[in-house]
Amino acid sequence: QSVLTQPPSVSAAPGQKVTISCSGSSSNIGNNYVSWYQQLPGTAPKLLIYDNNKRPSGIPDRFSGSKSGTSATLGITGLQTGDEADYYCGTWDSSLGAGVFGGGTKLTVL
Amino acid sequence: QVQLLQSGAAVKKPGASVRVSCKASGYTFTSFGLSWVRQAPGQGLEWMGWISPYSGNTKNPQTLQGRITLTTDKSTSTAYMELRSLKPDDTAVYYCARGGDQHFFYMDVWGKGTPVSVSS
Repeated sequence: QSVLTQPPSVSAAPGQKVTISCSGSSSNIGNNYVSWYQQLPGTAPKLLIYDNNKRPSGIPDRFSGSKSGTSATLGITGLQTGDEADYYCGTWDSSLGAGVFGGGTKLTVL
Repeated sequence: QVQLLQSGAAVKKPGASVRVSCKASGYTFTSFGLSWVRQAPGQGLEWMGWISPYSGNTKNPQTLQGRITLTTDKSTSTAYMELRSLKPDDTAVYYCARGGDQHFFYMDVWGKGTPVSVSS
């Protein structure tokens, strides 16, 4: 049971937009920065979003992040088949004194 | 370019220990913390801890207290993760990643991962 809650799966057609939610509490998302990671099959995770809504160099602006209260959202526009992957949110939990991740969301581009 | 090169796969018996290494290159080793994250087969990511190569300070989750030790060797820009009293549930791919401290929890460079299998 993950501290952060993500939907197990989402799907959308190529070219469409999808959002992935990440729900937490005041001890984690509510008072700490959120990051998002993309994990393609058989590879290491890759940073997509940090500090709630910032993109590292090289990440296209099709990927966006937002945070409101104790929830965060990853948005992906102009979906491509290459976006099929598992997506994870992560943040610090001040009560646990530990980093925590969501359970992951599998994105299928139909 | 910035890289984290991890040691090779390991096979261990229950009760044994494993040490995974992570050699950093392409940046000043002491300027960034290092995190360890593992992923059991078919499962999600689990944060295992963080170390500052500059100060040696570490943070670990309560779930691994007493079983995990994080260290660094500044002379070789290498970080180490030792996990003791291994159980079959510790079978996973172990990643090192740059960053992940409590104030700015994000990891921008990842190693390719080290598979560890625990089986009798």
